[in-house]
Amino acid sequence: GDSVTQMEGPVTLSEEAFLTINCTYTATGYPSLFWYVQYPGEGLQLLLKATKADDKGSNKGFEATYRKETTSFHLEKGSVQVSDSAVYFCALNSGNTPLVFGKGTRLSVIA
Amino acid sequence: GAGVSQSPRYKVTKRGQDVALRCDPISGHVSLYWYRQALGQGPEFLTYFNYEAQQDKSGLPNDRFSAERPEGSISTLTIQRTEQRDSAMYRCASSQGVENTDTQYFGPGTRLTVL
Repeated sequence: GDSVTQMEGPVTLSEEAFLTINCTYTATGYPSLFWYVQYPGEGLQLLLKATKADDKGSNKGFEATYRKETTSFHLEKGSVQVSDSAVYFCALNSGNTPLVFGKGTRLSVIA
Repeated sequence: GAGVSQSPRYKVTKRGQDVALRCDPISGHVSLYWYRQALGQGPEFLTYFNYEAQQDKSGLPNDRFSAERPEGSISTLTIQRTEQRDSAMYRCASSQGVENTDTQYFGPGTRLTVL
C-alpha cells in the first residue's frame, strides 16, 4: 500500500539556519504530494503541495520539489525563524482516497 | 467562520460510555474525511464521505466505530462502549472535490480521553 517515510526528529536549529526535512514515498499511480504543518496548540494547516512530477510547491519561504525518479518531496527553507517551530507532516494522495501521512518531524528553532 | 469546525474540542469520558464527535465542513465541500492521530504519530484514516455516501470505512478499527453524514454536510463519528485505547485526537477534514489534487482542510480536532 501507499506509504510515506520522513526523517525522524526532533530537529533543532539556530535562527537563520538552512532547513531540510527529508520525505520519500511509495505509491501506486501518480499521487499528489503535500506538506502540512502543525503549530503548537493549533490544527493541521496545508503548507504547500505539488500535483505532478517536477512541480515545485512553495509558501512562506518553504519549498519542495516533486521528484518522481527518487520518489521524494523534501522540504527546504533557506533561513528558519523561531516562528517556524512546529511539527511538519509529509503526505500523499493517490486518488479519491484519504491522505497517507508520515509520522511527522518536530522542528525547534532557537534564537 | 469559513473553516472546518469540530465539537467538542475536548471530551473526557469513562470507559464504556458512548461518545459522538461532530464535524462541520467548509460550506459546499463535497468530501469529508475522518482521521485519528495518536501522540507522536501522523493522522491515520478512519472513513470518508462524498456527499452523504460513505465511500470507504476500511480504517474504522472495529464495529464500535461508526460515522454518518445524512444530509451531505455535517458528519458525526460515534464510538460506542469506549475503551482506553480509543483515547486520541480525532481530526476531520473536507475538500471541495473528489480529485487527488484537491486540498483537504482540517478542523482543530477533538481530543478524546477515555478514563
